[in-house]
Parts: sequence; structure tokens; C-alpha cells
Amino acid sequence: QLQLQESGPGLVKPSETLSLTCTVSGGSISTSSYYWAWIRQPPGKGLEWIGSIYYSGSTYYNPSLKSRVTTSLDTSKSQFSLKLNFVTAADTAVYYCARYGAGRSWYDGWFDPWGQGTLVIVSS
Amino acid sequence: QSVLTQPPSVSGAPGQRVTISCTGSSSNIGAGYDVHWYQQLPGTAPRLLIYANNNRPSGVPDRFSGSKSGTSASLAFTGLQAEDEADYYCQSYDSSLNAYVFGTGTKVTVL
Repeated sequence: QLQLQESGPGLVKPSETLSLTCTVSGGSISTSSYYWAWIRQPPGKGLEWIGSIYYSGSTYYNPSLKSRVTTSLDTSKSQFSLKLNFVTAADTAVYYCARYGAGRSWYDGWFDPWGQGTLVIVSS
Repeated sequence: QSVLTQPPSVSGAPGQRVTISCTGSSSNIGAGYDVHWYQQLPGTAPRLLIYANNNRPSGVPDRFSGSKSGTSASLAFTGLQAEDEADYYCQSYDSSLNAYVFGTGTKVTVL
């Protein structure tokens, strides 16, 4: 059974870089069948897709965050990572990693499974 | 601001039938992109409940069902149970935003 686990600092200072890693177990990260995604949820609010990365290294980002986001993949460690630059209090959220699989097309896919999430607070 | 609108809350008595709407537009649901639904129990991560409009992953009870028509989709509970108290989100793709989008979320309360 595939499992995902987020890790990283729980507190980041404003204007600095948020860095998180997702470790995948129970399956291969080097598969052409899926993308690997980051999604966030501010406290008490809804879900926002941040970006996705393919096993080849191809990336796809939410245009609203694209200028500040970088994702990467380390297949040797079965991990993928997120970096979000120049954070502000508005970036305070629970950050989830998830696997994204295509449906009828890559636009019709869904996120499953999800990691348990990690809370990142942006504060000085 | 999400482009997929859901009612903030719905409630029902145990055993009652309840539905949640997800209203989009011509650039997402109305463009033909599939809709998926997630259940988020308090303090936990979302889990996939319905995929590709009306399909249940293994392990999801058959009292949950999904449908899609025009620019909207719906999630239905037949026989509401106490353990169904949670937040529910729809998800699709928006071609104007070039992004995967989630609904505003609906809190289900069992009376």
C-alpha cells in the first residue's frame, strides 16, 4: 500500500524559503503513470493545488504561485520536494503531498493517496 | 477564491438522503473535465471518495454516489451516518486558470 509522509520545518520566517520533503513508501516514485503533487490548506480554509512533478522531472505549477515555487525529485531516496520562496503569513498552512493519477487524460485525474500533512507557520 | 462553489454546510438526520452541489463554469466542469470528491474527517488528510464523476474507490461504501451534468456536479449520501460528519471537497481542472481546482468545501453535520 502506497504511503506518503511530509517532513520539514514547522516554522519559517517571513521572506525566507519554505522547504518540505515527501517520502514515498510501498511503491515506486519512478513511474510514468503518475505525477507527484503538493497541495496546501490554510487553517480553517479550503484546499489549493501548488504544483506537480513527473518522474522525468517535468513540472506543472499553479500560475498563482509559479513565480515562487520549485519542485524536485530524488528517485534514489524515493522523495520529492517543495520549495516556496519569499513566504508571508498568507503561506501559513497544512501542506500535503499526494500522488496524482490521470483519468481519461492528464487533466481529468485525481489525487490519491495523500500524506498526513504538515503544518508550516510563517512568523518571525 | 475558488471557481467551484459548494454550499458551506448541509445537515441531515441519520438515515436521511443528503446532497452536496459543486457549481462550476464553462472553463471547468462545463468544459467536460471530470469531477472528483474528497472526504476530510476532522484533523485528518483528505481521502478520495468519488473519482471520475461517479466511481467509488474500493472500500468506499455504496451509500456515496456522484453525478455530473452541465456545469455542475453532485455528491449524494443515501442513509446518512454519524461517521459521515466531515468536510467534503469537489475537484476538477480549469482551462482558464491552467490549474487543478478544488471546491469551496461543505461541512456535513449529522443531527
